[in-house]
Amino acid sequence: AQSVTQLGSHVSVSEGALVLLRCNYSSSVPPYLFWYVQYPNQGLQLLLKYTSAATLVKGINGFEAEFKKSETSFHLTKPSAHMSDAAEYFCAVSDRNTGFQKLVFGTGTRLLVSP
Amino acid sequence: EPEVTQTPSHQVTQMGQEVILRCVPISNHLYFYWYRQILGQKVEFLVSFYNNEISEKSEIFDDQFSVERPDGSNFTLKIRSTKLEDSAMYFCASRTSGAHTGELFFGEGSRLTVL
Repeated sequence: AQSVTQLGSHVSVSEGALVLLRCNYSSSVPPYLFWYVQYPNQGLQLLLKYTSAATLVKGINGFEAEFKKSETSFHLTKPSAHMSDAAEYFCAVSDRNTGFQKLVFGTGTRLLVSP
Repeated sequence: EPEVTQTPSHQVTQMGQEVILRCVPISNHLYFYWYRQILGQKVEFLVSFYNNEISEKSEIFDDQFSVERPDGSNFTLKIRSTKLEDSAMYFCASRTSGAHTGELFFGEGSRLTVL
C-alpha cells in the first residue's frame, strides 16, 4: 500500500527565505504525487502534481517540487517565502493502478512565515 | 470558478444522533469522494462514488456510514449513530474523469463535533 511521510509538523521561515517541505513516499509501483495547500478555513487546493512527465514540476504561487526516485522523495520548495504562504501543506500519493485515484495523504506540515 | 460546496460548515451533535453532511460537487464531475481529518491527524480516505454506487471504501467506512446522490446534484454522507470519535473535519471532493492524473477538487469541509 502506498503511503507518504512528511517530516516536520511545523516549519518556520522568515519572509524571503527558502521554503523546503519534505515528503517521502512508499509505493510498490511508480506513483503519482501531489502537493495540496490548505489556507485557514478553506478547502484543499492543488499546488502541483507529478504524473511521470518531467521530474521537476512547477506549480502555482512559485512553488515547485522534484521527483527523485532514488530517494523516494517529492520535496516542495519555494525560493522566497511570502507572508501569504502561511498555510498547511499536504503531500499525497496515488497508485496509478488504482481505478479511481484514491489519494493517500501525509500528516501535513504547517508553514509559518515571520516578517 | 466552479467549486465544491459543503454544508453545514460546522455541526454540533449529541452522541447517538444521525448526521447528514451535504456536498454539491462541480456540475460536470463524475467521481465523488469523502475524506475526513481528525484534529491533528492526517486526511483519511473514506469512500469513492461513481455511477451511483460506491467504488471503493476504507475500513473507517463501516455500517454506520452511507453515501448517496439523491437528486443528481447533491452528494451526501450520513452517519447513522454518531460516536465521539466521529468528531472530525469532513471533506467532499469531486473529479471530472477517471484518469489518474485528474485533479481532485475539494470543498471547504464540514466540521463535525460530537458531544
